[in-house]
Amino acid sequence: EIVLTQSPATLSLSPGERATLSCRASQSVSTYLAWYQQKPGQAPRLLIYDASNRATGTPARFSGSGSGTDFTLTISSLEPEDFAVYYCQQRSNWPPLTFGGGTKVEIK
Amino acid sequence: QVQLVESGGGVVQPGRSLRLSCAASGYTFSNYAMHWLRQAPGNGLEWVALISYGGGNKYYADSVKGRFTISRDNSKNTLYLQMNSLRAEDTAVYYCARGPMYDSSNCYMDYWGQGTLVTVSS
Repeated sequence: EIVLTQSPATLSLSPGERATLSCRASQSVSTYLAWYQQKPGQAPRLLIYDASNRATGTPARFSGSGSGTDFTLTISSLEPEDFAVYYCQQRSNWPPLTFGGGTKVEIK
Repeated sequence: QVQLVESGGGVVQPGRSLRLSCAASGYTFSNYAMHWLRQAPGNGLEWVALISYGGGNKYYADSVKGRFTISRDNSKNTLYLQMNSLRAEDTAVYYCARGPMYDSSNCYMDYWGQGTLVTVSS
C-alpha cells in the first residue's frame, strides 16, 4: 500500500499570502496524484488531477507540481474561501486508493 | 448538473447490517465507475470500494473486504453499499463519488455526494 504523508499538518496564513502544501509518497506514483479541498460540513472537491491539471472550475491561483514521490500544491494568493483542509490522493498502485492525512490551512 | 444523493445511514448495533444508496442524476450513470469512501469523525478520508461502469469489476479496501458489498443498478441510476457485520470502527460519514468513465484508469473522484452518517453503537 502506498502511504502519502502531508506536511505541514496545519498552515497558519493570512489572506493574500502564498500557501505551499507538500505531499510525499512512500514510493513513486509517477504523476498519478490528485488534490482535494474540503470545507467544514462539506464533501471534498477535486482541485487538481495528475499532479498539475486543474479540474473544471478550479481557480487559476491553485497549481500543482511534482512527480515521483514529492508533490506540491500552491495557492498563489489566499482568498477567504480557501481556508480549508486539503488532501492528496494517489491512483498509481491500487487497490487501495490512498489519501494523505490532510493539511489544514487556517487563518492566522 | 451532476448530483449524487446518499441515503440509508443511521444508528446500528455492532454486528448488524445496513444498506446505503446513492442516487445519481445529471449524467449518464452507466458510463462511469463509482466509489464509496468514508470519513470517521474528525479524521481523514478513506477509500472503501469501487465498482466498474457495468458492475462486473469490484474492488475493496482490506478493512471492509468480506463484510461490505458494492453494487449498482444502472436501470435505476443507483449505487449501493451493503454493510454487514458492522463494527464501531465503521462509524463514519459515507460518501459516494463518481469515478472514471468506462475502463479509464483515471481513478479520481470528480463529483461527490454530501454524505450519510453511519453510527455503529450499542
